[in-house]
Amino acid sequence: GNSVTQMEGPVTLSEEAFLTINCTYTATGYPSLFWYVQYPGEGLQLLLKATKADDKGSNKGFEATYRKETTSFHLEKGSVQVSDSAVYFCALADNYGQNFVFGPGTRLSVLP
Amino acid sequence: KAGVTQTPRYLIKTRGQQVTLSCSPISGHRSVSWYQQTPGQGLQFLFEYFSETQRNKGNFPGRFSGRQFSNSRSEMNVSTLELGDSALYLCASTLGGTTEAFFGQGTRLTVV
Repeated sequence: GNSVTQMEGPVTLSEEAFLTINCTYTATGYPSLFWYVQYPGEGLQLLLKATKADDKGSNKGFEATYRKETTSFHLEKGSVQVSDSAVYFCALADNYGQNFVFGPGTRLSVLP
Repeated sequence: KAGVTQTPRYLIKTRGQQVTLSCSPISGHRSVSWYQQTPGQGLQFLFEYFSETQRNKGNFPGRFSGRQFSNSRSEMNVSTLELGDSALYLCASTLGGTTEAFFGQGTRLTVV
């Protein structure tokens, strides 16, 4: 079946550091890929998405590129802020928006 | 437009009791999915409903059940509660045919 693997962290960075959270997936067909973010005490919010190979999703300074050849969707940000401290989930879904599969989440802590 | 609304936000129940959680999706969304989130197991898929029919089901015991009404609102029920059922229960809705899931803030269930 489909699966998502991501670095579990926790990841601790200083403010303005470069962030990379690795995500790889296993899926049949051509899934859509997502990064969701969860702030303390909240549900998940969509951060960015990509629906086909070589697409780049971006939002709030975060970027991720759908790499079919390496089955990866790594999340990057050039300069993190304290407010980016949260748990980040990589996920995939089939093209009908069904069968969402989430990675285990990566906790990010950004220190001032 | 209003987001996904889950009620109640917090619940404390005694072992052996049953509980019902409610989820109101975004207006127009016909698909509702439920997830259990725990520190140890991460985010686990419970089931998905579309147009009042259960379309997908995760690997949970029969004590976990759900239903969807004609207005797309959904409920999930857990009977004979166990301590291990303590978790954040998240509901997500999608339009159906699109690839983005919108999450509610969750219901935090504590079983004592």
